[in-house]
Amino acid sequence: AQTVTQSQPEMSVQEAETVTLSCTYDTSESNYYLFWYKQPPSRQMILVIRQEAYKQQNATENRFSVNFQKAAKSFSLKISDSQLGDTAMYFCAFLNYGGSQGNLIFGKGTKLSVKP
Amino acid sequence: GAVVSQHPSRVICKSGTSVKIECRSLDFQATTMFWYRQFPKQSLMLMATSNEGSKATYEQGVEKDKFLINHASLTLSTLTVTSAHPEDSSFYICSAGGRGKIYEQYFGPGTRLTVT
Repeated sequence: AQTVTQSQPEMSVQEAETVTLSCTYDTSESNYYLFWYKQPPSRQMILVIRQEAYKQQNATENRFSVNFQKAAKSFSLKISDSQLGDTAMYFCAFLNYGGSQGNLIFGKGTKLSVKP
Repeated sequence: GAVVSQHPSRVICKSGTSVKIECRSLDFQATTMFWYRQFPKQSLMLMATSNEGSKATYEQGVEKDKFLINHASLTLSTLTVTSAHPEDSSFYICSAGGRGKIYEQYFGPGTRLTVT
């Protein structure tokens, strides 16, 4: 069974600084996707970034980028130029697409606070 | 595009009664819908996966007779919590997929259920 581990329950960063959230996962599959989702106080889940396991190039979306280390099964999220609106819970998630219906497996989350 | 709604956003019910939560894909056909449960300050736990026109697949430990899921059309799935008890109080989130890409999953805004 696949597992997703986020070892940082809470983190804080000053506005405009850079912060990195950690995520490791365990799987025997070779074809999968990894995601970072943001859940602000409204509790609406928002997709931040997606990485396909077969792609070696790290995904980037504006101020958000990942460091995907497939051999190490590590998938960290870097937020550059942090903004107050980045304050939220961040969940790392795994999706095995070989024979899967698309059900996501989530880590326990990291609560990020951006301080002015 | 790709909007998912949930209704109601909040519901309070008395112990022993049943409550229905609706999940609708507003601008696309969702062949697969997922129901998650999220306790305070915890992660999302998949309860069940439903495909239009077929029986839902429940995760281990989820009582199928208590949490009735109906995916009667390509735009609507319902979760009915039967004979609700205070321990069923939680935040319920649905997501919808099926736009052709297994990694595309769109989340509803969630429903907060409080059982008194």
